[in-house]
Amino acid sequence: SYELTQPPSVSVSPGQTASITCSGDKLGDRYASWYQQKPGQSPVVVIYQDTKRPSGIPERFSGSNSGNTATLTVSGTQAMDEADYYCQAWDSSTGVFGGGTKLTVL
Amino acid sequence: QVQLVQSGAEVKKPGASVKVSCKASGYTFSSHGISWVRQAPGQGLEWMGWISGKNGNTNYAQKLQGRVTMTTDTSTSRAYMELRSLRSDDTAVYYCARRSLDTDAFDMWGQGTMVTVSS
Repeated sequence: SYELTQPPSVSVSPGQTASITCSGDKLGDRYASWYQQKPGQSPVVVIYQDTKRPSGIPERFSGSNSGNTATLTVSGTQAMDEADYYCQAWDSSTGVFGGGTKLTVL
Repeated sequence: QVQLVQSGAEVKKPGASVKVSCKASGYTFSSHGISWVRQAPGQGLEWMGWISGKNGNTNYAQKLQGRVTMTTDTSTSRAYMELRSLRSDDTAVYYCARRSLDTDAFDMWGQGTMVTVSS
C-alpha cells in the first residue's frame, strides 16, 4: 500500500521560515494536499493541488511537490501557526495521510 | 454556508456496532463525495473510505473491509458510517469530510464524533 512519511516534529522561531516535508514514491506524479489541525479542532486544508491556497489561508503558506517529496513552507511563522500538519494524496481511489508533523513555534 | 454537522458522541461495548451520521448543507449533496477519517487519541489521521454523493459508489480502506459500511440518503443530504464488531482500538474521533469535485482535497470537515469502545 502507498505510504507518506513526515518528520514527527519541526521547530521554528517566530518570524522565520518553517519547512515540512512529505515523502512518498513518485509523489510528484500525484497532487498533494496539506491540512492544519489545532488541538480540539477539525483539520483545515491550507494547500491543495500541490501549490494552491484556499481563500482565507494566509499567503505565508505555500507548497511544492516534485520527485518523491512535497513540501509545505510557512514563511514569517507566527505563534498562531503552531499546530499539527498532515499531507495527503490519493493512491487511485484510496486516500492516504502522512503521519503528521507537529510544528512548534519557539 | 457550507457545513457538515455530525451526530453526537457514542459509548459502545466491544463487539457492538456504531452508526455515525453527517448532515450536509449549503451545497448540492450529489455534487461531491464524502470521506470518513478517524483519529485515535493522540494519533494521526486515518482515511477510512469514501462514498459518492451522486451514485453511492464506495471505496473502503483495506484494513476496514468487512467491518465498515458507508451509505447516503440524498433526500436528507446525510451520509452515514457504520462500523461493526467494535474493538477498543476503534476508540477515536470520527470525521466526515467533503471531497471537493474540483480539487480532490477535503475542503470541508464535520466537527467530529467521539466514539468510545469500552467494557
